[in-house]
Amino acid sequence: GQQLNQSPQSMFIQEGEDVSMNCTSSSIFNTWLWYKQDPGEGPVLLIALYKAGELTSNGRLTAQFGITRKDSFLNISASIPSDVGIYFCAGGTLRSGTYKYIFGTGTRLKVLA
Amino acid sequence: NAGVTQTPKFQVLKTGQSMTLQCAQDMNHEYMSWYRQDPGMGLRLIHYSVGAGITDQGEVPNGYNVSRSTTEDFPLRLLSAAPSQTSVYFCASRQDGRGIKNIQYFGAGTRLSVL
Repeated sequence: GQQLNQSPQSMFIQEGEDVSMNCTSSSIFNTWLWYKQDPGEGPVLLIALYKAGELTSNGRLTAQFGITRKDSFLNISASIPSDVGIYFCAGGTLRSGTYKYIFGTGTRLKVLA
Repeated sequence: NAGVTQTPKFQVLKTGQSMTLQCAQDMNHEYMSWYRQDPGMGLRLIHYSVGAGITDQGEVPNGYNVSRSTTEDFPLRLLSAAPSQTSVYFCASRQDGRGIKNIQYFGAGTRLSVL
């Protein structure tokens, strides 16, 4: 089946540093989504990408839909303590009339003040 | 302003027991789904529904049943719990399954342990 490889698995960074994470797959997707999950909560959508090559920002977050449609990356600039959490990518494809999403394994981010 | 509500938040079962995880949404969304989240793995789709009266299997449906008698509710049933079903379960909903830009909203999750 389809799989997403998300890296890194975890990272410790100093407050103020920039963060970069990515997802790759052998499959092509029509959409890439990036979610953040706080402890004890469900994932919350951060950024959605719909076209190959698309670059979209949401505050300090920037994500890009890879040209090959098989990858995506998320950057966080000037990290702050509340950026702590697990970040998931998800690739979406249309199957049997509905969009189905495959999720990456997550990047656990810890920010040291 | 509830969004997607899951109950209970925590549950401990013995092997062989049955239970129902509840999920309700107040956004009039057609599409609802159940995922499980396990360490080191991404969210995996268990079952989904594109509307009242319509359900279908996802990636890991074995051991779980669902029904969708109303637009608002989408319960997940474990008929005979097994330790392999220890996981965190998330319910999600979105406006419909066809629109590429329909945002998927997740509940806060149910943490289930099967002993």
